[in-house]
Amino acid sequence: QKEVEQDPGPLSVPEGAIVSLNCTYSNSAFQYFMWYRQYSRKGPELLMYTYSSGNKEDGRFTAQVDKSSKYISLFIRDSQPSDSATYLCATIKTSYDKVIFGPGTSLSVIP
Amino acid sequence: EADIYQTPRYLVIGTGKKITLECSQTMGHDKMYWYQQDPGMELHLIHYSYGVNSTEKGDLSSESTVSRIRTEHFPLTLESARPSHTSQYLCASSESAGDQFFGPGTRLTVL
Repeated sequence: QKEVEQDPGPLSVPEGAIVSLNCTYSNSAFQYFMWYRQYSRKGPELLMYTYSSGNKEDGRFTAQVDKSSKYISLFIRDSQPSDSATYLCATIKTSYDKVIFGPGTSLSVIP
Repeated sequence: EADIYQTPRYLVIGTGKKITLECSQTMGHDKMYWYQQDPGMELHLIHYSYGVNSTEKGDLSSESTVSRIRTEHFPLTLESARPSHTSQYLCASSESAGDQFFGPGTRLTVL
């Protein structure tokens, strides 16, 4: 079993839709949770960085962590074609550990 | 300007050649990483460094080697390139571990 699992998609939504991207993880020791966005043929870029359970909002993006069910989500409101990318969830136990990346979910937002 | 650079961006080379992929960052980060990523596939950590003169192998077995003589520089070397090395190589740096800054990547093709 992989430590972090994601549905690879592809996920296709119309412009303006609310998008929900999800990950599950297996190790309850993970404390920090990240979402990265990767455009085609580019390196990933950090979108959201959260610690422990709860919600974090940044503009149209909301990251949600539920440690009791080992479930992390990224919500995108009013999705735009420029949001079309692969979204990778990631997690880590402490700041001295290696980041564990999920395989990524491919998202297409259709105008 | 704080950034992370990778050169070359694209490289096509014949089997058996020795190659070095360059990675430099201007942010003064102690932690640096090399990932390998095939198109549409997961990121695989192949090497990492937590400071000068410190290098470790990652999770994916790799025939490459790295060095860290200066904080800002983390080159990756393949002594004898093979077609199986064809992939995208991504360099990253971070101050803590979760907030990694990725370079644009080097797309390597070995004929």
